Amino acid sequence: NAGVTQTPKFQVLKTGQSMTLQCAQDMNHNSMYWYRQDPGMGLRLIYYSASEGTTDKGEVPNGYNVSRLNKREFSLRLESAAPSQTSVYFCASRFGQLYEQYFGPGTRLTVT
Amino acid sequence: DQQVKQNSPSLSVQEGRISILNCDYTNSMFDYFLWYKKYPAEGPTFLISISSIKDKNEDGRFTVFLNKSAKHLSLHIVPSQPGDSAVYFCALSTGNQFYFGTGTSLTVIP
Repeated sequence: NAGVTQTPKFQVLKTGQSMTLQCAQDMNHNSMYWYRQDPGMGLRLIYYSASEGTTDKGEVPNGYNVSRLNKREFSLRLESAAPSQTSVYFCASRFGQLYEQYFGPGTRLTVT
Repeated sequence: DQQVKQNSPSLSVQEGRISILNCDYTNSMFDYFLWYKKYPAEGPTFLISISSIKDKNEDGRFTVFLNKSAKHLSLHIVPSQPGDSAVYFCALSTGNQFYFGTGTSLTVIP
């Protein structure tokens, strides 16, 4: 079991460029999440998907879009990157009504 | 407005002593409370949790306490070990949403 995998691990973008962060889990989990971690701010929820076919906004959704491609995959898209989106992005998943989440290793994104 | 606060950014403790990490929240809507541990360049990993209907949960060296009237959550690690050195996040749940604290960096000195 690979758990939760994220690609890429690192990315540098110029302002205005677009990119998609990929996340996949092989644990048959229903719910998937995207967070960003910034210094002094902890982890903040961007979007989540409670089940295949549904997505909902979290605390900080502006500037992002998501796609729940199937039960395994949940992608995060930046259409026009801004320096304020420089952050470490974590994907997570959880099973059913259990509360603990399993996190991927993160993607470090820098927007110049 | 930050709904979950960890007011101590860092904490240093001698090996073998107790580590106490604290977390305060402002909203009574949260129904489940968790602690995660994070090493550099890795994702957070789940440590221990507690339901809002309980006030204490223990798992080996780790104990979580919940004081709902004070809106306060704490994690006790005893005895502390050097391998416990990491950043600890509290996380509070309401429905499908989770709110994380800002983290406390724990250093256990051998």
